[in-house]
Parts: sequence; C-alpha cells; structure tokens
Amino acid sequence: TQLLEQSPQFLSIQEGENLTVYCNSSSVFSSLQWYRQEPGEGPVLLVTVVTGGEVKKLKRLTFQFGDARKDSSLHITAAQPGDTGLYLCAGPNQAGTALIFGKGTTLSVSS
Amino acid sequence: EPEVTQTPSHQVTQMGQEVILRCVPISNHLYFYWYRQILGQKVEFLVSFYNNEISEKSEIFDDQFSVERPDGSNFTLKIRSTKLEDSAMYFCASSVGFPGRSYNEQFFGPGTRLTVL
Repeated sequence: TQLLEQSPQFLSIQEGENLTVYCNSSSVFSSLQWYRQEPGEGPVLLVTVVTGGEVKKLKRLTFQFGDARKDSSLHITAAQPGDTGLYLCAGPNQAGTALIFGKGTTLSVSS
Repeated sequence: EPEVTQTPSHQVTQMGQEVILRCVPISNHLYFYWYRQILGQKVEFLVSFYNNEISEKSEIFDDQFSVERPDGSNFTLKIRSTKLEDSAMYFCASSVGFPGRSYNEQFFGPGTRLTVL
C-alpha cells in the first residue's frame, strides 16, 4: 500500500521565519504534487515535481523531489501570514488512475 | 482561468435519503474524479471516470455510490441511501490525462459539504 507521511502535522511560526515541511514514503512515485488547501475549500495545486533531485521555485516556496523519488520537501522563506493554510502532498497510485494524499501540514503564520 | 465548479456548496440530508452532488469539470479535460475528506482527515480517493465508464474505484465506493456523466458538461456523484458516516466534504477533480501519465495534474473544485443527520 502506498502511503505518504507528512511532517510536522502542525507548525506555528512568526512572520519572517523560514520553515520546511516534509513528505515521505517507502514507495517510489512517478511524480509528486503539492497542494494548498484553505478551510472549506478544495486543494489548489502549487507545483508538480517529476524528476528525482528536481528543485522548483515558486517565489518564496522551494520544492524538492528526492533523488529516489520517495520523498519531497517544501521550504518557505520569510513566511507571511498569507502562507497560512494546509499543505498537502499527493502522488499517483501505482495504476496511475488516482491521487494518494498525505494528511497534510497545517501551517499558521502570525504577524 | 478555467476552473472546476461544484453544486451545491452545502447539502443537508436525512439518513437514508438519496443525494446527488454535481460537478462541471474543466471543459477540455477527459478524466474526472471524486474524492472525499472527512473533517480532520486526509483526502481520500473515491472513483475515477474516463470515456463514460469507471476506471477505478476505492473500497469506499460501494454499491451505495454511483457516478454519471449525463451530458457533455456535468459529472455527478449519487449516494443512494446516505449514512451518518457519509458526512464529509466531497471534491470533484478533473485532468487532461491520468496522473500517472505525463504528470497530468488534477484540478479540484471547491467541494460540497454533505451533512447527514
């Protein structure tokens, strides 16, 4: 069974701090996606990483895909209150017909 | 920017009643999905749909559930006899292709909050 474990589960920081959240699995994924979800809304796609070792940057967000394609990380530089939300990682199942989600990291950034 | 839409945003029903949740996927997408998220838990896959038939379904998607694409734009999820444990957010998603092929991203709708009393 493919599982995605995210850590930490909760993170509360001050504006301006840096943070990293992790997404780990014992299974190899062909790609991993990162989503952000606001309360009462659907997940919004942030990025897809495909190649082992790949690094993608989206403004203050840096996403990395592990060399073995079993893990990924999201690093936020100089967090802002607008970064508050639930960050989800997801990857395709073995059949490639659905996404498997992690439980997410709830980030709270206070000013 | 094209987006997935869902109606209603909130549905309250009595246990045992039938509900139909509606979705309009992004127009050029060919693959459609339903997921659910019970409060405080992770997003769980229910079913994927392509070419007017189910491609894959999870253990959650039992005989009480069905999906349909009644016309060229709508994609529906029917729950025949709702149970208390069906209370959740239900998300529709669509993609150009399946996620395992060429990393076709799935785009999610805003969800329908189903409350079964």
